Amino acid sequence: DARVTQTPRDKVTEMGQEVTMRCQPILGHNTVFWYRQTMMQGLELLAYFRNRAPLDDSGMPKDRFSAEMPDATLATLKIQPSEPRDSAVYFCASGPGTANTGELFFGEGSRLTVL
Amino acid sequence: RKEVEQDPGPFNVPEGATVAFNCTYSNSASQSFFWYRQDCRKEPKLLMSVYSSGNEDGRFTAQLNRASQYISLLIRDSKLSDSATYLCVVSTGGYNKLIFGAGTRLAVHP
Repeated sequence: DARVTQTPRDKVTEMGQEVTMRCQPILGHNTVFWYRQTMMQGLELLAYFRNRAPLDDSGMPKDRFSAEMPDATLATLKIQPSEPRDSAVYFCASGPGTANTGELFFGEGSRLTVL
Repeated sequence: RKEVEQDPGPFNVPEGATVAFNCTYSNSASQSFFWYRQDCRKEPKLLMSVYSSGNEDGRFTAQLNRASQYISLLIRDSKLSDSATYLCVVSTGGYNKLIFGAGTRLAVHP
Protein backbone atom coordinates (compact mmCIF):
# COMPACT_ATOMS: atom_id res chain seq x y z
CA ASP A 1 0.00 0.00 0.00
CA ALA A 2 1.32 3.43 -0.91
CA ARG A 3 1.42 5.69 2.10
CA VAL A 4 2.82 8.95 3.37
CA THR A 5 5.73 8.37 5.71
CA GLN A 6 6.67 10.79 8.47
CA THR A 7 9.60 10.86 10.85
CA PRO A 8 10.03 11.09 13.75
CA ARG A 9 6.82 9.60 15.15
CA ASP A 10 7.49 11.13 18.56
CA LYS A 11 9.90 13.85 19.58
CA VAL A 12 10.49 15.34 23.01
CA THR A 13 12.83 18.30 23.10
CA GLU A 14 13.69 21.28 25.20
CA MET A 15 12.73 24.83 24.49
CA GLY A 16 15.19 26.53 22.17
CA GLN A 17 16.24 23.38 20.35
CA GLU A 18 15.89 22.93 16.60
CA VAL A 19 13.34 20.38 15.43
CA THR A 20 13.18 18.93 11.93
CA MET A 21 10.30 16.80 10.76
CA ARG A 22 10.44 14.86 7.52
CA CYS A 23 7.83 13.56 5.15
CA GLN A 24 7.93 11.25 2.16
CA PRO A 25 4.80 11.83 0.06
CA ILE A 26 3.17 9.12 -1.99
CA LEU A 27 5.06 8.59 -5.24
CA GLY A 28 3.40 10.52 -8.03
CA HIS A 29 1.55 12.97 -5.78
CA ASN A 30 2.45 16.53 -6.63
CA THR A 31 0.78 18.40 -3.76
CA VAL A 32 2.15 18.24 -0.23
CA PHE A 33 0.65 19.82 2.85
CA TRP A 34 1.79 20.40 6.43
CA TYR A 35 -0.90 20.60 9.10
CA ARG A 36 -0.62 21.06 12.86
CA GLN A 37 -3.22 19.63 15.22
CA THR A 38 -3.87 20.64 18.82
CA MET A 39 -6.84 20.07 21.08
CA MET A 40 -7.59 23.78 21.17
CA GLN A 41 -7.18 24.69 17.50
CA GLY A 42 -7.87 21.48 15.64
CA LEU A 43 -6.10 20.99 12.29
CA GLU A 44 -4.39 24.14 11.07
CA LEU A 45 -2.87 24.40 7.61
CA LEU A 46 0.74 25.57 7.90
CA ALA A 47 2.03 25.32 4.34
CA TYR A 48 1.53 23.57 1.07
CA PHE A 49 3.48 22.82 -2.07
CA ARG A 50 2.62 21.96 -5.64
CA ASN A 51 5.30 20.45 -7.83
CA ARG A 52 7.75 21.30 -5.01
CA ALA A 53 6.97 25.02 -5.23
CA PRO A 54 5.54 26.65 -2.07
CA LEU A 55 2.04 27.93 -2.83
CA ASP A 56 0.95 29.17 0.55
CA ASP A 57 2.70 29.32 3.89
CA SER A 58 0.54 32.02 5.42
CA GLY A 59 -0.46 29.72 8.27
CA MET A 60 3.09 29.33 9.45
CA PRO A 61 4.89 31.55 12.00
CA LYS A 62 7.67 32.82 9.72
CA ASP A 63 10.11 33.80 12.41
CA ARG A 64 10.69 30.25 13.59
CA PHE A 65 9.13 27.85 11.08
CA SER A 66 10.35 26.93 7.63
CA ALA A 67 9.11 24.37 5.12
CA GLU A 68 10.94 23.07 2.08
CA MET A 69 10.82 20.36 -0.55
CA PRO A 70 14.40 19.65 -1.53
CA ASP A 71 13.13 17.00 -3.96
CA ALA A 72 9.91 15.29 -4.96
CA THR A 73 10.36 12.55 -2.37
CA LEU A 74 11.09 14.69 0.66
CA ALA A 75 9.33 17.54 2.45
CA THR A 76 10.73 19.06 5.62
CA LEU A 77 9.31 21.26 8.35
CA LYS A 78 11.79 22.93 10.63
CA ILE A 79 11.25 24.82 13.87
CA GLN A 80 14.12 26.90 15.20
CA PRO A 81 14.04 27.75 18.05
CA SER A 82 11.23 25.57 19.38
CA GLU A 83 8.86 26.80 22.10
CA PRO A 84 6.44 24.95 24.41
CA ARG A 85 3.47 26.34 22.44
CA ASP A 86 4.74 24.40 19.39
CA SER A 87 3.77 21.15 21.12
CA ALA A 88 1.29 19.46 18.80
CA VAL A 89 0.91 16.66 16.28
CA TYR A 90 2.28 17.66 12.89
CA PHE A 91 0.73 15.92 9.91
CA CYS A 92 2.05 15.75 6.41
CA ALA A 93 -0.42 14.93 3.64
CA SER A 94 -0.08 14.46 -0.09
CA GLY A 95 -2.54 14.51 -2.94
CA PRO A 96 -2.60 13.81 -6.66
CA GLY A 97 -3.16 17.48 -7.46
CA THR A 98 -6.35 17.09 -9.45
CA ALA A 99 -8.54 20.00 -8.50
CA ASN A 100 -10.94 19.53 -5.63
CA THR A 101 -11.03 15.76 -5.41
CA GLY A 102 -10.84 16.25 -1.67
CA GLU A 103 -8.76 13.24 -0.93
CA LEU A 104 -5.55 13.93 0.86
CA PHE A 105 -3.52 11.06 2.21
CA PHE A 106 -2.13 11.76 5.64
CA GLY A 107 0.92 10.36 7.33
CA GLU A 108 0.64 9.05 10.87
CA GLY A 109 1.90 12.33 12.27
CA SER A 110 4.87 13.52 14.30
CA ARG A 111 3.97 14.15 17.92
CA LEU A 112 6.14 17.00 19.22
CA THR A 113 6.52 17.89 22.87
CA VAL A 114 8.59 20.94 23.73
CA LEU A 115 9.47 21.21 27.41
CA ARG B 1 -14.19 33.64 13.39
CA LYS B 2 -12.97 30.27 12.13
CA GLU B 3 -13.49 29.40 8.48
CA VAL B 4 -15.18 26.13 9.36
CA GLU B 5 -17.16 25.73 12.59
CA GLN B 6 -18.45 22.55 14.17
CA ASP B 7 -20.03 21.60 17.47
CA PRO B 8 -17.22 19.74 19.27
CA GLY B 9 -19.62 17.35 21.03
CA PRO B 10 -19.20 14.75 22.33
CA PHE B 11 -22.31 13.09 21.02
CA ASN B 12 -22.96 9.99 23.12
CA VAL B 13 -25.47 7.70 21.43
CA PRO B 14 -26.53 4.06 21.78
CA GLU B 15 -25.95 1.53 19.06
CA GLY B 16 -28.63 1.73 16.41
CA ALA B 17 -29.32 5.41 16.93
CA THR B 18 -29.41 8.03 14.20
CA VAL B 19 -27.14 11.00 14.77
CA ALA B 20 -26.59 14.19 12.78
CA PHE B 21 -23.66 16.60 12.74
CA ASN B 22 -23.71 20.11 11.36
CA CYS B 23 -21.04 22.43 10.13
CA THR B 24 -20.98 26.00 8.85
CA TYR B 25 -18.36 27.68 6.69
CA SER B 26 -17.65 31.36 6.26
CA ASN B 27 -16.18 31.65 2.78
CA SER B 28 -18.97 31.88 0.22
CA ALA B 29 -16.46 31.18 -2.54
CA SER B 30 -15.80 27.70 -1.17
CA GLN B 31 -16.02 25.17 -3.94
CA SER B 32 -15.91 21.65 -2.55
CA PHE B 33 -16.93 20.00 0.68
CA PHE B 34 -16.03 16.80 2.45
CA TRP B 35 -16.30 14.82 5.64
CA TYR B 36 -13.20 13.19 7.07
CA ARG B 37 -13.05 10.74 9.94
CA GLN B 38 -10.28 10.65 12.54
CA ASP B 39 -9.87 7.82 15.02
CA CYS B 40 -8.19 8.46 18.36
CA ARG B 41 -4.46 9.11 17.90
CA LYS B 42 -4.67 8.35 14.17
CA GLU B 43 -4.53 10.41 11.01
CA PRO B 44 -7.63 11.84 9.30
CA LYS B 45 -9.10 9.85 6.41
CA LEU B 46 -11.65 10.84 3.79
CA LEU B 47 -15.13 9.58 4.65
CA MET B 48 -17.11 11.09 1.80
CA SER B 49 -17.52 14.06 -0.47
CA VAL B 50 -20.56 16.31 -0.17
CA TYR B 51 -22.46 17.18 -3.32
CA SER B 52 -25.00 19.95 -3.85
CA SER B 53 -27.79 17.47 -4.47
CA GLY B 54 -26.94 15.48 -1.34
CA ASN B 55 -25.41 12.03 -1.42
CA GLU B 56 -25.48 8.74 0.41
CA ASP B 57 -22.88 6.12 1.13
CA GLY B 58 -24.45 3.22 2.96
CA ARG B 59 -25.54 4.45 6.38
CA PHE B 60 -24.04 7.89 5.81
CA THR B 61 -25.86 10.80 4.17
CA ALA B 62 -24.28 14.18 3.47
CA GLN B 63 -26.13 17.38 2.61
CA LEU B 64 -24.98 20.81 1.47
CA ASN B 65 -26.87 24.08 1.65
CA ARG B 66 -24.87 26.69 -0.22
CA ALA B 67 -27.29 29.51 0.53
CA SER B 68 -26.91 28.99 4.27
CA GLN B 69 -23.27 27.84 4.00
CA TYR B 70 -24.14 24.75 5.94
CA ILE B 71 -23.08 21.10 5.65
CA SER B 72 -24.51 18.10 7.46
CA LEU B 73 -23.70 14.45 8.02
CA LEU B 74 -26.32 11.92 9.08
CA ILE B 75 -25.36 8.50 10.39
CA ARG B 76 -28.11 5.91 10.60
CA ASP B 77 -28.03 2.71 12.63
CA SER B 78 -24.88 3.73 14.52
CA LYS B 79 -22.27 1.06 15.16
CA LEU B 80 -19.66 0.92 17.89
CA SER B 81 -17.07 1.25 15.14
CA ASP B 82 -18.48 4.65 14.17
CA SER B 83 -16.96 6.12 17.35
CA ALA B 84 -14.49 8.71 16.09
CA THR B 85 -14.11 12.42 15.43
CA TYR B 86 -15.82 13.68 12.28
CA LEU B 87 -14.13 16.59 10.54
CA CYS B 88 -15.98 18.95 8.25
CA VAL B 89 -13.70 20.07 5.42
CA VAL B 90 -13.96 22.84 2.87
CA SER B 91 -11.87 23.49 -0.20
CA THR B 92 -11.32 27.15 -0.96
CA GLY B 93 -9.38 27.37 -4.16
CA GLY B 94 -7.55 24.94 -6.34
CA TYR B 95 -4.89 22.40 -5.63
CA ASN B 96 -6.94 20.72 -2.92
CA LYS B 97 -6.25 23.35 -0.28
CA LEU B 98 -8.43 21.87 2.44
CA ILE B 99 -9.55 23.77 5.53
CA PHE B 100 -10.63 21.55 8.40
CA GLY B 101 -13.12 22.17 11.15
CA ALA B 102 -12.05 21.25 14.68
CA GLY B 103 -14.21 18.12 14.55
CA THR B 104 -17.21 16.63 16.29
CA ARG B 105 -16.60 13.69 18.56
CA LEU B 106 -19.00 10.74 18.42
CA ALA B 107 -19.10 7.99 21.03
CA VAL B 108 -21.41 5.05 20.31
CA HIS B 109 -22.10 2.84 23.32
CA PRO B 110 -23.66 -0.64 23.61
